[in-house]
Amino acid sequence: GAVVSQHPSRVICKSGTSVKIECRSLDFQATTMFWYRQFPKQSLMLMATSNEGSKATYEQGVEKDKFLINHASLTLSTLTVTSAHPEDSSFYICSASEASGANEQFFGPGTRLTVL
Amino acid sequence: SQQGEEDPQALSIQEGENATMNCSYKTSINNLQWYRQNSGRGLVHLILIRSNEREKHSGRLRVTLDTSKKSSSLLITASRAADTASYFCATVPLGSGTYKYIFGTGTRLKVLA
Repeated sequence: GAVVSQHPSRVICKSGTSVKIECRSLDFQATTMFWYRQFPKQSLMLMATSNEGSKATYEQGVEKDKFLINHASLTLSTLTVTSAHPEDSSFYICSASEASGANEQFFGPGTRLTVL
Repeated sequence: SQQGEEDPQALSIQEGENATMNCSYKTSINNLQWYRQNSGRGLVHLILIRSNEREKHSGRLRVTLDTSKKSSSLLITASRAADTASYFCATVPLGSGTYKYIFGTGTRLKVLA
């Protein structure tokens, strides 16, 4: 099956700093990538949808200036958490679809962010 | 909230027993998928059932779909300790242009050896 990787798998940072998380599709071209956030013992909540070469579409309540998403190529999307605060500590998961409108998403292993 | 509901929220059973989890959703769907997530890990795709299907099997997994009740169930037969994980349903709403997944609240399954 299609493989999606995330880097880093874990990151600890100080409050006020910015953190970049990478999501890569390793063996397919991902026209669309999705970013999710998951708090402990809760479900995945979609943060934003990004299409290669265009601006991301953010879900209601997600601050686009705080969570910067760049989908510059068909194999790479990045999520940058700017001016991170302890409440941003969470598990961030990306997924990728092979073609625009494709039904199946392939999920990355997730990134655990801890903001001190 | 758009999120689907799953019940039970938590389930604890003995090894060898069957585990049943239910998922209810709110809108008409293209398909419904079940995922497993081990603690602190990513999602593992288990099974997809399309809106025109009523039942699907994969190994020890059996999924049913009732679109009239907007609900689905996941049955794991002869459970093993390794089945301990959280299980989520995810729906793709009909007419969802970008095929966004709406995840259920999840069921935390614990299988005791």
